[in-house]
Amino acid sequence: GAVVSQHPSWVICKSGTSVKIECRSLDFQATTMFWYRQFPKQSLMLMATSNEGSKATYEQGVEKDKFLINHASLTLSTLTVTSAHPEDSSFYICSARDPPSRFGETQYFGPGTRLLVL
Amino acid sequence: AQKITQTQPGMFVQEKEAVTLDCTYDTSDQSYGLFWYKQPSSGEMIFLIYQGSYDEQNATEGRYSLNFQKARKSANLVISASQLGDSAMYFCAHLLRNTPLVFGKGTRLSVIA
Repeated sequence: GAVVSQHPSWVICKSGTSVKIECRSLDFQATTMFWYRQFPKQSLMLMATSNEGSKATYEQGVEKDKFLINHASLTLSTLTVTSAHPEDSSFYICSARDPPSRFGETQYFGPGTRLLVL
Repeated sequence: AQKITQTQPGMFVQEKEAVTLDCTYDTSDQSYGLFWYKQPSSGEMIFLIYQGSYDEQNATEGRYSLNFQKARKSANLVISASQLGDSAMYFCAHLLRNTPLVFGKGTRLSVIA
Protein backbone atom coordinates (compact mmCIF):
# COMPACT_ATOMS: atom_id res chain seq x y z
CA GLY A 1 0.00 0.00 0.00
CA ALA A 2 0.86 3.67 -0.15
CA VAL A 3 3.33 5.06 2.38
CA VAL A 4 2.75 8.15 4.48
CA SER A 5 5.45 9.47 6.76
CA GLN A 6 5.13 11.83 9.67
CA HIS A 7 7.79 13.83 11.47
CA PRO A 8 8.54 14.09 14.30
CA SER A 9 7.21 10.96 15.96
CA TRP A 10 7.61 12.44 19.42
CA VAL A 11 7.78 16.02 20.60
CA ILE A 12 7.93 17.52 24.06
CA CYS A 13 7.67 21.28 24.33
CA LYS A 14 7.09 24.03 26.82
CA SER A 15 3.73 25.68 27.15
CA GLY A 16 3.46 28.69 24.86
CA THR A 17 5.75 27.41 22.12
CA SER A 18 4.71 26.38 18.63
CA VAL A 19 5.20 22.93 17.19
CA LYS A 20 5.21 21.95 13.51
CA ILE A 21 4.31 18.44 12.39
CA GLU A 22 5.01 17.30 8.83
CA CYS A 23 3.06 14.74 6.85
CA ARG A 24 4.41 13.39 3.57
CA SER A 25 3.04 10.98 1.01
CA LEU A 26 6.14 9.14 -0.15
CA ASP A 27 5.09 7.25 -3.26
CA PHE A 28 1.98 9.00 -4.48
CA GLN A 29 0.59 12.49 -4.86
CA ALA A 30 -2.14 13.51 -2.49
CA THR A 31 -4.31 16.49 -3.29
CA THR A 32 -6.13 15.90 -0.05
CA MET A 33 -4.71 15.07 3.34
CA PHE A 34 -6.45 14.80 6.67
CA TRP A 35 -5.40 15.61 10.20
CA TYR A 36 -6.81 13.66 13.13
CA ARG A 37 -6.33 13.91 16.86
CA GLN A 38 -6.63 10.99 19.22
CA PHE A 39 -6.81 11.22 23.00
CA PRO A 40 -5.93 8.15 25.09
CA LYS A 41 -8.42 5.31 24.78
CA GLN A 42 -10.55 7.28 22.35
CA SER A 43 -11.18 7.16 18.65
CA LEU A 44 -9.67 9.36 15.98
CA MET A 45 -11.38 12.72 15.66
CA LEU A 46 -11.03 14.61 12.41
CA MET A 47 -9.59 18.07 12.88
CA ALA A 48 -9.33 19.35 9.34
CA THR A 49 -9.08 18.50 5.69
CA SER A 50 -5.98 19.84 4.01
CA ASN A 51 -6.32 20.74 0.34
CA GLU A 52 -3.28 21.33 -1.83
CA GLY A 53 -3.07 24.92 -2.93
CA SER A 54 -6.06 26.14 -0.96
CA LYS A 55 -7.22 26.75 2.57
CA ALA A 56 -7.88 23.87 4.89
CA THR A 57 -11.39 22.96 5.93
CA TYR A 58 -11.74 22.73 9.69
CA GLU A 59 -14.21 20.67 11.63
CA GLN A 60 -16.58 22.35 14.03
CA GLY A 61 -14.92 23.24 17.30
CA VAL A 62 -11.37 23.21 15.94
CA GLU A 63 -9.64 26.58 16.19
CA LYS A 64 -8.11 27.42 12.82
CA ASP A 65 -5.85 30.07 14.32
CA LYS A 66 -4.44 27.59 16.78
CA PHE A 67 -3.99 24.67 14.40
CA LEU A 68 -2.45 26.10 11.25
CA ILE A 69 -2.45 23.81 8.24
CA ASN A 70 -0.39 24.34 5.12
CA HIS A 71 -0.57 22.01 2.11
CA ALA A 72 2.06 23.57 -0.09
CA SER A 73 2.70 20.63 -2.39
CA LEU A 74 1.11 17.40 -3.52
CA THR A 75 3.26 15.41 -1.12
CA LEU A 76 3.49 17.60 1.98
CA SER A 77 1.06 18.96 4.52
CA THR A 78 2.08 20.60 7.80
CA LEU A 79 0.18 21.14 11.02
CA THR A 80 1.45 23.83 13.35
CA VAL A 81 0.13 23.90 16.88
CA THR A 82 0.58 27.52 17.88
CA SER A 83 1.09 28.60 21.48
CA ALA A 84 0.69 25.04 22.67
CA HIS A 85 -0.85 24.35 26.06
CA PRO A 86 -0.97 21.15 28.13
CA GLU A 87 -4.50 20.41 26.92
CA ASP A 88 -3.10 20.18 23.38
CA SER A 89 -1.11 17.13 24.41
CA SER A 90 -2.39 14.33 22.22
CA PHE A 91 -1.60 11.91 19.42
CA TYR A 92 -1.83 13.63 16.03
CA ILE A 93 -2.22 11.46 12.94
CA CYS A 94 -2.28 12.52 9.34
CA SER A 95 -3.60 10.56 6.42
CA ALA A 96 -3.57 10.90 2.69
CA ARG A 97 -6.07 9.62 0.20
CA ASP A 98 -4.60 7.39 -2.44
CA PRO A 99 -6.11 7.62 -5.91
CA PRO A 100 -9.04 5.22 -6.30
CA SER A 101 -7.92 1.62 -6.45
CA ARG A 102 -9.62 -1.67 -5.84
CA PHE A 103 -9.84 -0.49 -2.26
CA GLY A 104 -11.91 2.51 -3.17
CA GLU A 105 -10.63 5.80 -1.83
CA THR A 106 -8.53 4.31 0.90
CA GLN A 107 -6.86 6.65 3.34
CA TYR A 108 -3.37 5.66 4.37
CA PHE A 109 -2.14 6.91 7.68
CA GLY A 110 1.14 8.24 8.92
CA PRO A 111 2.66 6.70 12.04
CA GLY A 112 1.45 9.59 14.20
CA THR A 113 3.08 12.24 16.36
CA ARG A 114 2.83 12.18 20.12
CA LEU A 115 2.83 15.72 21.49
CA LEU A 116 3.43 16.43 25.15
CA VAL A 117 3.16 20.02 26.30
CA LEU A 118 4.63 20.73 29.71
CA ALA B 1 -24.73 12.90 9.06
CA GLN B 2 -22.71 9.74 9.07
CA LYS B 3 -22.75 7.60 12.16
CA ILE B 4 -20.77 4.48 12.83
CA THR B 5 -21.19 2.30 15.90
CA GLN B 6 -18.98 -0.28 17.50
CA THR B 7 -20.79 -1.70 20.51
CA GLN B 8 -18.00 -3.85 21.91
CA PRO B 9 -15.44 -1.82 23.91
CA GLY B 10 -13.37 -4.95 24.49
CA MET B 11 -13.22 -8.53 23.30
CA PHE B 12 -11.22 -11.59 24.32
CA VAL B 13 -10.45 -14.52 22.08
CA GLN B 14 -8.44 -17.67 22.49
CA GLU B 15 -5.45 -18.06 20.22
CA LYS B 16 -6.30 -19.92 16.99
CA GLU B 17 -10.02 -19.24 17.41
CA ALA B 18 -12.10 -16.95 15.21
CA VAL B 19 -13.57 -13.69 16.47
CA THR B 20 -16.18 -11.27 15.12
CA LEU B 21 -15.99 -7.55 15.77
CA ASP B 22 -19.28 -5.74 15.27
CA CYS B 23 -19.86 -2.56 13.30
CA THR B 24 -23.05 -0.85 12.21
CA TYR B 25 -23.40 2.31 10.21
CA ASP B 26 -26.09 4.79 9.37
CA THR B 27 -26.30 6.60 6.08
CA SER B 28 -28.91 7.36 3.48
CA ASP B 29 -26.34 7.45 0.69
CA GLN B 30 -26.28 4.56 -1.74
CA SER B 31 -22.58 4.84 -2.56
CA TYR B 32 -20.15 4.43 0.30
CA GLY B 33 -17.17 2.47 1.52
CA LEU B 34 -16.54 0.61 4.74
CA PHE B 35 -13.09 0.06 6.17
CA TRP B 36 -11.45 -1.69 9.06
CA TYR B 37 -8.19 -0.49 10.56
CA LYS B 38 -5.99 -2.04 13.22
CA GLN B 39 -4.15 0.16 15.71
CA PRO B 40 -1.48 -1.61 17.80
CA SER B 41 0.01 0.02 20.87
CA SER B 42 2.54 1.83 18.68
CA GLY B 43 -0.32 3.99 17.41
CA GLU B 44 -0.02 3.45 13.67
CA MET B 45 -3.25 2.85 11.78
CA ILE B 46 -3.00 -0.24 9.63
CA PHE B 47 -5.51 -0.70 6.82
CA LEU B 48 -7.03 -4.19 6.91
CA ILE B 49 -9.98 -4.52 4.59
CA TYR B 50 -12.43 -2.56 2.44
CA GLN B 51 -16.02 -3.17 1.33
CA GLY B 52 -17.76 -1.06 -1.27
CA SER B 53 -21.49 -0.60 -0.99
CA TYR B 54 -22.03 -2.04 -4.44
CA ASP B 55 -19.77 -5.03 -3.93
CA GLU B 56 -21.92 -8.13 -4.05
CA GLN B 57 -19.40 -10.42 -2.41
CA ASN B 58 -18.02 -10.05 1.07
CA ALA B 59 -14.46 -8.77 1.09
CA THR B 60 -11.67 -11.07 2.22
CA GLU B 61 -7.98 -10.36 2.81
CA GLY B 62 -6.07 -13.29 4.20
CA ARG B 63 -7.36 -14.05 7.69
CA TYR B 64 -9.68 -11.04 7.59
CA SER B 65 -13.15 -11.14 6.14
CA LEU B 66 -15.96 -8.67 6.25
CA ASN B 67 -19.49 -9.89 6.87
CA PHE B 68 -21.40 -7.24 4.95
CA GLN B 69 -25.16 -7.17 5.48
CA LYS B 70 -26.38 -4.16 3.57
CA ALA B 71 -30.01 -4.32 4.64
CA ARG B 72 -28.98 -4.39 8.28
CA LYS B 73 -26.27 -1.78 7.67
CA SER B 74 -23.68 -3.90 9.35
CA ALA B 75 -20.08 -4.60 8.40
CA ASN B 76 -18.63 -6.99 10.94
CA LEU B 77 -14.96 -7.96 10.81
CA VAL B 78 -14.15 -11.63 11.19
CA ILE B 79 -10.61 -12.62 12.12
CA SER B 80 -9.91 -16.30 11.69
CA ALA B 81 -7.20 -18.28 13.48
CA SER B 82 -6.39 -15.47 15.91
CA GLN B 83 -2.76 -14.82 16.71
CA LEU B 84 -1.19 -13.09 19.70
CA GLY B 85 -0.11 -10.31 17.36
CA ASP B 86 -3.74 -9.55 16.59
CA SER B 87 -4.13 -7.94 20.02
CA ALA B 88 -4.85 -4.29 19.24
CA MET B 89 -7.57 -1.69 18.86
CA TYR B 90 -9.76 -2.19 15.82
CA PHE B 91 -11.64 0.67 14.22
CA CYS B 92 -14.48 0.46 11.75
CA ALA B 93 -14.75 3.46 9.43
CA HIS B 94 -17.24 4.76 6.95
CA LEU B 95 -16.57 6.82 3.86
CA LEU B 96 -18.89 8.77 1.62
CA ARG B 97 -17.68 10.10 -1.69
CA ASN B 98 -15.30 13.04 -1.34
CA THR B 99 -15.49 13.03 2.44
CA PRO B 100 -12.97 11.92 5.05
CA LEU B 101 -13.25 8.72 6.99
CA VAL B 102 -15.51 8.72 10.03
CA PHE B 103 -14.44 6.27 12.70
CA GLY B 104 -16.29 4.24 15.28
CA LYS B 105 -15.13 4.26 18.88
CA GLY B 106 -13.13 1.10 18.44
CA THR B 107 -12.92 -2.35 19.97
CA ARG B 108 -9.93 -3.54 21.96
CA LEU B 109 -9.16 -7.14 21.07
CA SER B 110 -7.07 -9.25 23.38
CA VAL B 111 -5.85 -12.63 22.18
CA ILE B 112 -5.17 -15.11 24.95
CA ALA B 113 -2.58 -17.86 24.65
